[in-house]
Amino acid sequence: DIQMTQSPSTLSASVGDRVTITCRASQSIRSWLAWYQQKPGKAPKILIHKASSLQSGVPSRFSGSGSGTEFTLTISSLQPDDFATYYCQQYNTHWTFGQGTKVEI
Amino acid sequence: EEQLVESGGGLVQPGGSLRLSCAASGFTFGSHAMNWVRQAPGKGPEWVSYISKGGSTIYYADSVKGRFTISRDNAKNSLYLQMNSLRDEDTAVYYCAREFYDILTGYYEYFFDSWGQGTLVTVSS
Repeated sequence: DIQMTQSPSTLSASVGDRVTITCRASQSIRSWLAWYQQKPGKAPKILIHKASSLQSGVPSRFSGSGSGTEFTLTISSLQPDDFATYYCQQYNTHWTFGQGTKVEI
Repeated sequence: EEQLVESGGGLVQPGGSLRLSCAASGFTFGSHAMNWVRQAPGKGPEWVSYISKGGSTIYYADSVKGRFTISRDNAKNSLYLQMNSLRDEDTAVYYCAREFYDILTGYYEYFFDSWGQGTLVTVSS
């Protein structure tokens, strides 16, 4: 099974900050990686797919990069609505999620 | 409006059974592969099962193989998960999740572009 490891687990930031979250795969997943945002009591929401493709309707302050085993999600200027938990997901071989990164004030 | 609505969750004793349903509306259900994903309290999501758009291809996570059965009825726009021999560790919110498919271009990709609101399954004596 492919394991996904995110860092950090928790990130403290302020409105306007540039934020970067890292996700590592235990083996190459090429570019088959997605990023989701989840708020308490809600389902995850897709932000980025294929490592760097912005899902329709998602603000352009979100961006993704990487391939193989190392990936990053960047929020260029953190907004109040962005305080949430973020998960990476590989879909190269079945589906595996990271353990999450909570972005808090 | 595209929508996925899960139902069927509840409290069940260890060893018991439960059947979850997911009702789809607002899109061509039969054009999309579907999945069940669960999330235990305070944990990240865990993929549970996949079914292709026609139902001919099915996958399960090792943690549920032999105990859970996924199925779909495209005429009823519905997805199901039959859960048997339930264990404490199956306690979670269960989501149905749609796989991305662009009906205009025929392009598909194996990420989940739409999720239901979830239904809580609690396994406890």
